[in-house]
Amino acid sequence: QVQLVQSGAELKRPGASVKVSCKASGYIFTGYYTHWVRQAPGQGLEWMGWINVNSGDTQYAQKFQGRVSMTRETSIRTAYMELSRLTSDDTAVYYCAAREVDGEVPAWFDPWGQGTLVTVSS
Amino acid sequence: QSALTQPASVSGSPGQSITISCTGTSSDVGSYNLVSWYQQHPGKAPKLMIYEVSKRPSGVSNRFSGSKSGNTASLTISGLQAEDEADYYCCSYAGSSIFVVFGGGTKLTVL
Repeated sequence: QVQLVQSGAELKRPGASVKVSCKASGYIFTGYYTHWVRQAPGQGLEWMGWINVNSGDTQYAQKFQGRVSMTRETSIRTAYMELSRLTSDDTAVYYCAAREVDGEVPAWFDPWGQGTLVTVSS
Repeated sequence: QSALTQPASVSGSPGQSITISCTGTSSDVGSYNLVSWYQQHPGKAPKLMIYEVSKRPSGVSNRFSGSKSGNTASLTISGLQAEDEADYYCCSYAGSSIFVVFGGGTKLTVL
């Protein structure tokens, strides 16, 4: 059973950084992309970027360029998303989601992690 | 403001069919057959319901179907059931620079 389990909720001060983890099980970790999508309270979904877990290649949404970093540790089947220079606008639930590497554009996401609430407040 | 436009809400009675539209542009929905739809119940993670415009993942009911015409994609749910009540989001590939864009979401109420 393919499953993604994320780290717990975080409370951060403005200007700080947060690192969210996403541990995979039930599939060949290195055969997938890991995407990150966030959802502000009461708002819609916003794509942040992806990492090819095998190669380490990344693509970030322009909005987050210079402020986001996506990495992975294949030995422990875990992907990470770090967001820096946090503001209150970054308060959101952050989701990881997988997509198999199959030579096609990885433009849909399945499965999803349970989400990690990041609250930015002074 | 979301890149793709969805109605804020739709409703239907049990057993009926409803359709949710998702309007983009010739740079996203109109150019690629890479539209996907996600169902999200309150407090839960999104779940993939349709990918590549009209394909259903294993385990998703055949009451869910997707289509596209020009710059508008649609999700149709037939034989509405109470458990279909949720938020639905469309998503489209928008080229290598932007990658993907989401719609603002549609709240489905089963009356």
